[in-house]
Amino acid sequence: SYVLTQPPSVSVAPGKTARITCGGNNIGSKSVHWYQREPGQAPVLVIYYNTDRPSGIPDRFSGSNSGNTATLTISRVEAGDEADYFCQVWDTSTDHPVFGGGTKLTVL
Amino acid sequence: QLQLQESGPGLVKPSETLSLTCTVSGGSINSGSSYYWGWVRQPPGKGLEWIGHIYFSGSTYYNPSLQSRVTISVDASKKQFSLKLSSVTAADTAVYYCARLEYKSLFDFWGQGTLVTVSS
Repeated sequence: SYVLTQPPSVSVAPGKTARITCGGNNIGSKSVHWYQREPGQAPVLVIYYNTDRPSGIPDRFSGSNSGNTATLTISRVEAGDEADYFCQVWDTSTDHPVFGGGTKLTVL
Repeated sequence: QLQLQESGPGLVKPSETLSLTCTVSGGSINSGSSYYWGWVRQPPGKGLEWIGHIYFSGSTYYNPSLQSRVTISVDASKKQFSLKLSSVTAADTAVYYCARLEYKSLFDFWGQGTLVTVSS
């Protein structure tokens, strides 16, 4: 089945830019969705269909997807962005959703 | 705003059946042809794993790795859907989430999750 690979952790200083990657075979041909999960909270959709942002999500969050890597970019990182981030696609070969292993974003 | 809330025992003995219910508020469980209702779990130290999902009519879709042990059901009148996982082992210890699934794409609303520990 389809495998998504994320780095376990990313660290960034406040005000800088964080980039969280999601690798998969020809992932650029798929739609990638990103979720933020703060400790003890429900996951929240922050980017859908590669680049779209739900209402209420700051424009500091953006996404891209090409080749074998999708990227979630968080600009002007704030302490409140510290959370786990997961990528997800729909695997058409098995007809079910697949998640990445998750990346813990630490704001230094 | 749609809200989902999981409920059920936090401790289950090995070989027994794990049972969880998700209650939907702020919207209807038969809210249109594009939405399904699903379960996702995260074992300690591991990533998210899709368990399965159900349409309000009762059609179900399960992760093949769990299919022999999973049953998902829906009670639209109560705005609830449920998960049963039989013959549990320590490997089934996880935070279990319920979520709304947009047809063959993304999960747009999630519950907060509930930790279920399998232990004697």
